[in-house]
Amino acid sequence: EIVLTQSPGTLSLSPGERATLSCRASQSVSNSYLAWYQQKLGQAPRLLIYGASSRATGIPDRFSGSGSGTDFTLTISRLEPEDFALYYCQQYGDSPPWTFGQGTKVEVK
Amino acid sequence: QVQLVQSGAEVKKPGASVKVSCKASGYTFMSYAMLWVRQAPGQSLEWMGRINAGNGDTRYSQKFQGRVTLTRDTSASTVYMELTSLTSEDTAVYFCARQSSGYDHFDNWGQGTLVTVS
Repeated sequence: EIVLTQSPGTLSLSPGERATLSCRASQSVSNSYLAWYQQKLGQAPRLLIYGASSRATGIPDRFSGSGSGTDFTLTISRLEPEDFALYYCQQYGDSPPWTFGQGTKVEVK
Repeated sequence: QVQLVQSGAEVKKPGASVKVSCKASGYTFMSYAMLWVRQAPGQSLEWMGRINAGNGDTRYSQKFQGRVTLTRDTSASTVYMELTSLTSEDTAVYFCARQSSGYDHFDNWGQGTLVTVS
């Protein structure tokens, strides 16, 4: 099973600042099968990024993903008020179990 | 647009079973797999199982093997998740999610169903 470790646990930033979230895998993620999801309180997760760097439909271009192998990054270029939320990375592909990181909370400083 | 609508909250006693439904609309139901993911209070997300809505094939997380069963009703475009032998540790929000294609990312999610075991 691939274990995903996200850092930091909490990111305290102001609107307009840049957010950089990290996701490290315990072994290489094949074909960069790495997704990022946003979750707000009481809501279901929403897909942001798949294939490590492809934005999902309707996701603003201030969200970008990068990385390969075991190290992946989600960047939010300029935080908008609606971006303060929880973010999870997830690995997928043809070898379940599919696992999630423990999450990074982006909070208002 | 793709919509996944889940059944309502449940309260169960320890040892009981729960069955949660997920009704799909806005796409060809049998062309995609459906996953179930749960989230205990204050915790991360945990994949439970997968069902191919076309042929009914299932795969389960080893953690839930023997306790979870996924089924589907193609005439109703609905997938069901049944979890047996409930304990307090099964208290969680249960989500269904559509798998984009093959064994790909999870592109659309249901609203979640809170199951409380008490």
